[in-house]
Amino acid sequence: EDQVTQSPEALRLQEGESSSLNCSYTVSGLRGLFWYRQDPGKGPEFLFTLYSAGEEKEKERLKATLTKKESFLHITAPKPEDSATYLCAVQAKGSGNTGKLIFGQGTTLQVKP
Amino acid sequence: GAGVSQSPRYKVTKRGQDVALRCDPISGHVSLYWYRQALGQGPEFLTYFNYEAQQDKSGLPNDRFSAERPEGSISTLTIQRTEQRDSAMYRCASSIRDRAGNTIYFGEGSWLTVV
Repeated sequence: EDQVTQSPEALRLQEGESSSLNCSYTVSGLRGLFWYRQDPGKGPEFLFTLYSAGEEKEKERLKATLTKKESFLHITAPKPEDSATYLCAVQAKGSGNTGKLIFGQGTTLQVKP
Repeated sequence: GAGVSQSPRYKVTKRGQDVALRCDPISGHVSLYWYRQALGQGPEFLTYFNYEAQQDKSGLPNDRFSAERPEGSISTLTIQRTEQRDSAMYRCASSIRDRAGNTIYFGEGSWLTVV
């Protein structure tokens, strides 16, 4: 069964304190791994898509990496406005053309000034 | 529109009533998804449309749930004979295939409370 597990469930950082969020996955053939940011009361906002092991993508203070079993979202020198829930999701090759995403439960990040 | 639009944003209904949730996807997006999200959890897939064709409904919990997209644009998710366990955030999403693959954009959601 395709599955996504994120850790930690919650993370508190001081402003400027870099860290990483983990997304472990098991899937019958990876078509893509997605990172989303979700603010309270809002819908998930797309951040990155990674397709193959070794791939990396960056956006401002965020950098996403991918291996065959997990993905990391590295946050460098975070600011309070980076506080949000970060969701990881996989799209399996077995999903055909539906693009169905399987989500983890998310990591809630709080950055204190 | 600029983003995925859903209505109503909030719906309170009595147990046993039917509810209909509407989704207006991003203009030009051929793929449309419905997800359900419980508090503190990631979204859970319900169903998928490619244009007007419902190609995957494997995530619909039971036969009280149905969805349609008759003209390949706006979609409606209907829940019949609602139960308290149906209370959740229902999210619609849409996508268009591009060279990088399917990027799925989510709406703000419809929060359903069954009392």
